[in-house]
Amino acid sequence: GDSVTQMEGPVTLSEEAFLTINCTYTATGYPSLFWYVQYPGEGLQLLLKATKADDKGSNKGFEATYRKETTSFHLEKGSVQVSDSAVYFCALSTDSWGKLQFGAGTQVVVTP
Amino acid sequence: GAGVSQSPSNKVTEKGKDVELRCDPISGHTALYWYRQSLGQGLEFLIYFQGNSAPDKSGLPSDRFSAERTGGSVSTLTIQRTQQEDSAVYLCASSPQQRGGAQYFGPGTRLLVL
Repeated sequence: GDSVTQMEGPVTLSEEAFLTINCTYTATGYPSLFWYVQYPGEGLQLLLKATKADDKGSNKGFEATYRKETTSFHLEKGSVQVSDSAVYFCALSTDSWGKLQFGAGTQVVVTP
Repeated sequence: GAGVSQSPSNKVTEKGKDVELRCDPISGHTALYWYRQSLGQGLEFLIYFQGNSAPDKSGLPSDRFSAERTGGSVSTLTIQRTQQEDSAVYLCASSPQQRGGAQYFGPGTRLLVL
């Protein structure tokens, strides 16, 4: 069945450091790929998405490129801030109506 | 505009009792989803509704779980004879689009079964 694997956390970084969170997937067909973020005490929010191979999603300085050849959708940010501390979830949907299959989540802690 | 709302925000119940969790989706969104977030299992899909189509119940963990969506809007998730392993945060999401569309999540209902 479909699955998403993302790197385990917590990932601890200093402010202004470069962030990468690896995400790989297994799916039949051509899934849409998403990154969701959950800030402390808040609900899940869509961070970015890509719906076909080689698409790049971007938002708030974060980027991820849909790589079909490596079945990956790694999340990157060039310079993190303390406010980026959150749990990040990689997800896919192959269903016509977009039900999501989530990875386990990666906690990111950014220190001043 | 108003986002997805869920009630109650917290629910404590005794093992064996039934609970009802409510979700109000964003107005006009045709698709509605329920997920569960727990420490041991992460984020799991439970059920979704799309317009007037039959719901996809493939994620419901047992027949103690059921959900309905009245008038294509509000949804209620019911858990009968609750067990301690049902303790989790239950998340509702809605979406206006078809395949590949973003889902907008509510704040969740934190359920604790004693």
